Amino acid sequence: NAGVTQTPKFQVLKTGQSMTLQCAQDMNHEYMSWYRQDPGMGLRLIHYSVGAGITDQGEVPNGYNVSRSTTEDFPLRLLSAAPSQTSVYFCASRGAGTQYFGPGTRLLVL
Amino acid sequence: GDSVTQMEGPVTLSEEAFLTINCTYTATGYPSLFWYVQYPGEGLQLLLKATKADDKGSNKGFEATYRKETTSFHLEKGSVQVSDSAVYFCALSDPTQGGSEKLVFGKGTKLTVNP
Repeated sequence: NAGVTQTPKFQVLKTGQSMTLQCAQDMNHEYMSWYRQDPGMGLRLIHYSVGAGITDQGEVPNGYNVSRSTTEDFPLRLLSAAPSQTSVYFCASRGAGTQYFGPGTRLLVL
Repeated sequence: GDSVTQMEGPVTLSEEAFLTINCTYTATGYPSLFWYVQYPGEGLQLLLKATKADDKGSNKGFEATYRKETTSFHLEKGSVQVSDSAVYFCALSDPTQGGSEKLVFGKGTKLTVNP
């Protein structure tokens, strides 16, 4: 059981570039979510999904897109990166009332 | 909306000292409460949780009691170790605000334990 995995671990982008942060889980959880972590801000919810084909916005969704074509995968897309999106991104999946977090992706936008 | 307030850090203690990290919350409904820990360079791990008033969550020597009357969920440990150095996050999920899926986090408290 690998749990929640995220790739890449670290990425540098230039302003305006696009990229996809990958997230996968092997626990057959229906609910998955993306958070961003910024210094002094805690974690804030970007988008979440309650099952394949169903997604919804969280607290800070602007500039991010998601889709959920399978139970296992929940990618986060940045269509046109901005310096304000420099952050650490965590994917999570929920089972038995507990959320399990991936190791994170550190993103730097120049 | 719902919110979580936890004591500002950083907190620096000597090994074997007593630890308290305060956490209070506001919520529309009857939330579940959590403490997560983040070790350097790692993701968040669930430390403990409580789902109803007067429940005590405990794990690895850490404890927290769900106090509905004071809307608090303070984290305590009787004797900290160097290996407890990490960032601690208090969080809630409110079934009236999108169900138990969404977590609302405090800003985190960084703990450093010196030998």
